Amino acid sequence: GESVGLHLPTLSVQEGDNSIINCAYSNSASDYFIWYKQESGKGPQFIIDIRSNMDKRQGQRVTVLLNKTVKHLSLQIAATQPGDSAVYFCAENIGGYSTLTFGKGTMLLVSP
Amino acid sequence: DSGVTQTPKHLITATGQRVTLRCSPRSGDLSVYWYQQSLDQGLQFLIQYYNGEERAKGNILERFSAQQFPDLHSELNLSSLELGDSALYFCASSVLSTIVNTEAFFGQGTRLTVV
Repeated sequence: GESVGLHLPTLSVQEGDNSIINCAYSNSASDYFIWYKQESGKGPQFIIDIRSNMDKRQGQRVTVLLNKTVKHLSLQIAATQPGDSAVYFCAENIGGYSTLTFGKGTMLLVSP
Repeated sequence: DSGVTQTPKHLITATGQRVTLRCSPRSGDLSVYWYQQSLDQGLQFLIQYYNGEERAKGNILERFSAQQFPDLHSELNLSSLELGDSALYFCASSVLSTIVNTEAFFGQGTRLTVV
């Protein structure tokens, strides 16, 4: 598959563990955030989003936490599965315009 | 399959040349976004079109241009290519004109290699 980065932080977990992927965003004016998953050889895939007026949002097996005080975002994946192995990116947006600024990404490796 | 089709999948060309990348959005989607993904810069937003009109511009070089046609497919033109333009180019589409509260679906990308 395609390589998306040579020096990405990597999180290695066992199947069934909970995973936490962190992201420090850059702009205190950012008010909308998205987490994407990118599998090898594929384009990014939307996972979950959150607006800045919330500090937590839950989806199916995923939870996003937002701490605006320290400009930190995290993605929690419950009961991680081998199919969750991918690179995960956070992205931030200001004011609802279309420009998204992406983080560098974290590679998640899930062992059976 | 996201429903977004990008062609070609791979492209190898020489410095100084010009190439055109093509994107067909999902049926019903009016917005098309172009992104560049390189090893050193990561994912960067280039430009967005909505229903044929340019809607937003990101870090797009002057050597690059794009357009969206009446049938809503889009093309990204890259000219005077340099080695540093080698990257994955993604197209994404969505229904709305804004990225907020709407899911954008990405194609599988075009891998451009400039030699």
